[in-house]
Amino acid sequence: QAVVTQEPSLTVSPGGTVTLTCGSSTGAVTSGHYPYWFQQKPGQAPRTLIYDTNNKHSWTPARFSGSLLGGKAALTLSGAQPEDEAEYYCLLSYTDARPVFGGGTKLTVL
Amino acid sequence: QVQLVQSGAEVKKPGASVKVSCKASGYTFTSYHMHWVRQAPGQGLEWMGIINPSGGSTRYTQKFQGRVTLTRDTSTRTVYMELSSLTSEDTAVYYCARGEQWPIWGQGTMVTVSS
Repeated sequence: QAVVTQEPSLTVSPGGTVTLTCGSSTGAVTSGHYPYWFQQKPGQAPRTLIYDTNNKHSWTPARFSGSLLGGKAALTLSGAQPEDEAEYYCLLSYTDARPVFGGGTKLTVL
Repeated sequence: QVQLVQSGAEVKKPGASVKVSCKASGYTFTSYHMHWVRQAPGQGLEWMGIINPSGGSTRYTQKFQGRVTLTRDTSTRTVYMELSSLTSEDTAVYYCARGEQWPIWGQGTMVTVSS
């Protein structure tokens, strides 16, 4: 099974910009991995922010965007707000149709 | 509205089985796959498997192959996740989540395995 890697933790200043990345042990991440990004706050179920690399749900704040960057999937937060402090998980799909989650990135807004 | 409501918390002894339900409402039940994901205390998310409610076909991650069974009841719009031969390492919150853009998650079901 592939291993999906994320930064364990990142810190961003209020109003600042931060990019979280999601890599794959099998090589470059492409749109064919259909990258997803989820946000989870303590005690809550995850919430899907981004699907299929860069598509947003109606509830996804405009300050979040998804992309491919340097062989990885990326989630960029522009204009961080205190309420964005959370754990963020990416999910990649593989040819065996068994998706794999990354280990998560704990984002601190400070 | 679109909603997934899961069954309540469970406490099981090692070696037992647990069956968690996920009842869907607000959309055509048979049109979307359902994923199951678990999260051990203080740990990350782990994909377990997926079921197609239309035909009942399933796919599981290798780690749980042989120990997890996903089923569905179209009459009640409910998907079930059964996990057998429980150990303390199966203590976790179990989530269902609708496939195809993953727009909605269940609230989670805490399963505690303890002697």
